[in-house]
Amino acid sequence: AQTVTQSQPEMSVQEAETVTLSCTYDTSESDYYLFWYKQPPSRQMILVIRQEAYKQQNATENRFSVNFQKAAKSFSLKISDSQLGDAAMYFCAYRSPMNRDDKIIFGKGTRLHILP
Amino acid sequence: NAGVTQTPKFRVLKTGQSMTLLCAQDMNHEYMYWYRQDPGMGLRLIHYSVGEGTTAKGEVPDGYNVSRLKKQNFLLGLESAAPSQTSVYFCASRWLGTDTQYFGPGTRLTVL
Repeated sequence: AQTVTQSQPEMSVQEAETVTLSCTYDTSESDYYLFWYKQPPSRQMILVIRQEAYKQQNATENRFSVNFQKAAKSFSLKISDSQLGDAAMYFCAYRSPMNRDDKIIFGKGTRLHILP
Repeated sequence: NAGVTQTPKFRVLKTGQSMTLLCAQDMNHEYMYWYRQDPGMGLRLIHYSVGEGTTAKGEVPDGYNVSRLKKQNFLLGLESAAPSQTSVYFCASRWLGTDTQYFGPGTRLTVL
């Protein structure tokens, strides 16, 4: 069975600085999808970024980028120029290809604090 | 376009009571999901549906039932609530052609 591990329960970063959140996963599949979701105090789950395993290029969305290391089964999220609005719980998630298994597996989350 | 909505937002039940949580989406998504979120546990899948009239079990289905009579609605039922079902429940949906799930705002349920 697939698992997703986020080893940092909490992190803090100074406003305008860069922070990296770690995520590792375990799978025997070669094709899959990886996600980072943000959950602010409003509780709404917001998709931040997604990565397709067959693509070697790291995904980027504005200030958010990932470092996808398929062999190491690592999927870290880098937030550049941190802003107060980035304070939230961040979840790493794994999903099998659509044609086989529809389950998405979440890590336990990392709470990110932004220091003014 | 409201996206994914959940009713109610908060609810307190006594042990043994029953209730139904409603999830509605106006994006014509085929797939819908129910998750529960507990402290330090992330989100765990309860049940999901790949289309109107179909449902399937997720990771933690015991104690819950679901129905998808209409494409836009996905109901989660608790027939006899237990304190272990105290949690925040999230509904999500996605379109068949994508892998991105869109989440509702959540329902906080407390079972005394």
